[in-house]
Formats: sequence, C-alpha cells, structure tokens
Amino acid sequence: SQTIHQWPATLVQPVGSPLSLECTVEGTSNPNLYWYRQAAGRGLQLLFYSVGIGQISSEVPQNLSASRPQDRQFILSSKKLLLSDSGFYLCAWRLSGTGLGNSPLHFGNGTRLTVT
Amino acid sequence: AQKVTQVQTEISVVEKEDVTLDCVYETRDTTYYLFWYKQPPSGELVFLIRRNSFDEQNEISGRYSWNFQKSTSSFNFTITASQVVDSAVYFCAPSNTDKLIFGTGTRLQVFP
Repeated sequence: SQTIHQWPATLVQPVGSPLSLECTVEGTSNPNLYWYRQAAGRGLQLLFYSVGIGQISSEVPQNLSASRPQDRQFILSSKKLLLSDSGFYLCAWRLSGTGLGNSPLHFGNGTRLTVT
Repeated sequence: AQKVTQVQTEISVVEKEDVTLDCVYETRDTTYYLFWYKQPPSGELVFLIRRNSFDEQNEISGRYSWNFQKSTSSFNFTITASQVVDSAVYFCAPSNTDKLIFGTGTRLQVFP
C-alpha cells in the first residue's frame, strides 16, 4: 500500500531563516506531488505541484520554492522566511496519468510552521 | 474561469440532527470530478468521496450521502443523524486536470 511521510510535524523558525520541508511517498511510482498551505482558519491554497522529476509548477508567486530531486521526494524551501509564511503545510500525492483528474489526493499529516 | 463556492462557512447542529453542506462549482468544462474531504481538529485531510460530472445518481455510504445536480452545478453532502465525531471542516474540491482546487471549507460543529 502507499504511504506518505511528511516532516517535521511542527517547526518554529525566526524571520529571515531558511526553510526545508520534506515529503516522501512509498509504494507507488511517478506520482503527482503537491504542496498546499493552510493559514489559520482558512482554506487550502495550492502552492506547487509536480508531474515528474524536475518538473515544478508554481501556482502562487511567493517567498517559497519547490524541488523534486527524486521520483517520490518533494521538498519545499525558502531562503528567508517571512512572518506571512506561517501556516499549516500539507504534502499530497495522487496517481499520475489521470489527465481528467479522477484520482483523489492523499495527504500527509502536515507541518505546522510558526515564523516568529 | 472556474469557481468553487462552499455556501456555508459554519454550521452548528445538535447531535442526531441531519445536516447538509452545499458546494457549487461553476465551470464551462463538461467533464470533471468532484471530491469531498474531511479535516478533523487533528488536521489531517481525509478523502471521503469522488464523483464524476456524468453521474447524477445519489450515493449513500452509511450516514453520508451525496447529491450531484449538473444543471445547478451543485454537489451537496448530507450527514444523517450527526454525531459529535462528525465535527470537522469539510472541503469540496473539483478537478479536471492535474490540479485539485479546494473550496474555502465549511466548519461543522456537532454538539452533544
């Protein structure tokens, strides 16, 4: 069966510090991978998604970047965190090759980031 | 342009009441899928159901039921005999591409 691992679960970082959140998927090959952010009490905002190694689509211009160095690894980074980067970050995967989008997303447990 | 609207921001009910959460998806696409997710207080997102735009039959799973009406672009979710454990934020999310866009969510509180 497929599993998704996301770490760390919580993170407190000062403004201006770098960020690296990692997500890995097991039990499937060539998944589509996603990073979402949820501000406190708000909906989910799609940040990045990837349909293959080295292929990153950015949805929202911001202080963050994403990379996919391996097939089942997705990394969210920042060189200098802002206060507004605080939130709940969720990694997700879905089966690829579903051009009409019929495969559900499967989420990790999330990382709660507080920028102080 | 595509737009997903979750009509209710918050709903409060007493246990055993039925409750319906409304979602409207405006799009010119004829083929798409609609998903519902549950986010309990612990934060994880749980996939509940997927329906496609060609299937307007109601679907029932235990206390959950879903009604999709393409003519009104509405995809509604009903919980029968609600329980305290149903308290969560519920998201509807349409998809017809590699992306899945979430509505703003409906917070459901079920009181004992």
